[in-house]
Amino acid sequence: NAGVTQTPKFRVLKTGQSMTLLCAQDMNHEYMYWYRQDPGMGLRLIHYSVGEGTTAKGEVPDGYNVSRLKKQNFLLGLESAAPSQTSVYFCASSYSRTSYEQYFGPGTRLTVT
Amino acid sequence: AQSVTQPDIHITVSEGASLELRCNYSYGATPYLFWYVQSPGQGLQLLLKYFSGDTLVQGIKGFEAEFKRSQSSFNLRKPSVHWSDAAEYFCAVGLPDGYALNFGKGTSLLVTP
Repeated sequence: NAGVTQTPKFRVLKTGQSMTLLCAQDMNHEYMYWYRQDPGMGLRLIHYSVGEGTTAKGEVPDGYNVSRLKKQNFLLGLESAAPSQTSVYFCASSYSRTSYEQYFGPGTRLTVT
Repeated sequence: AQSVTQPDIHITVSEGASLELRCNYSYGATPYLFWYVQSPGQGLQLLLKYFSGDTLVQGIKGFEAEFKRSQSSFNLRKPSVHWSDAAEYFCAVGLPDGYALNFGKGTSLLVTP
């Protein structure tokens, strides 16, 4: 099993450009999450999904959109990138609610210039 | 407001010395409690978790944590630190009926020879 994978690992964008980050999991997990990690801020939840076809906002959703068309994939989109979105993005998945372990991907380092 | 606090941003310990990382939470009910570790350039890995029962929980890599309801704390301990324990440590909290975890801002552990 590959666990949770993220594509790409690194990306540099110019302000105003768009991109999509892909997260894939092969553990048949229902729940998937997107976090951003910034120095001194810990992990902050951007969006999450409790099942195929569902999405919900987290703590810092502005400037991002997500889709969960397939159970194993969770996409994070930036329609018009801003320097404030420079961060490391982590995807995670879990079998169910907060009582279950979240498995994390290796992260995507995004720089917006 | 619900919050998770890790009071120590950085901690330095000598190899072989004992370690205690602090975590305090502010929630109306007793939440689910987790400790995750992040090695440089990696995603997060679960060290241990507490849901109920015995307040001293054992985790991987020789770590343990103690839940103290009266102090709203869930401190992580290790009797003898190894150089490979140098990493970022995150305390996380979830509610039994919740969908996502709330992470502390992390404690960076440096291990000196």
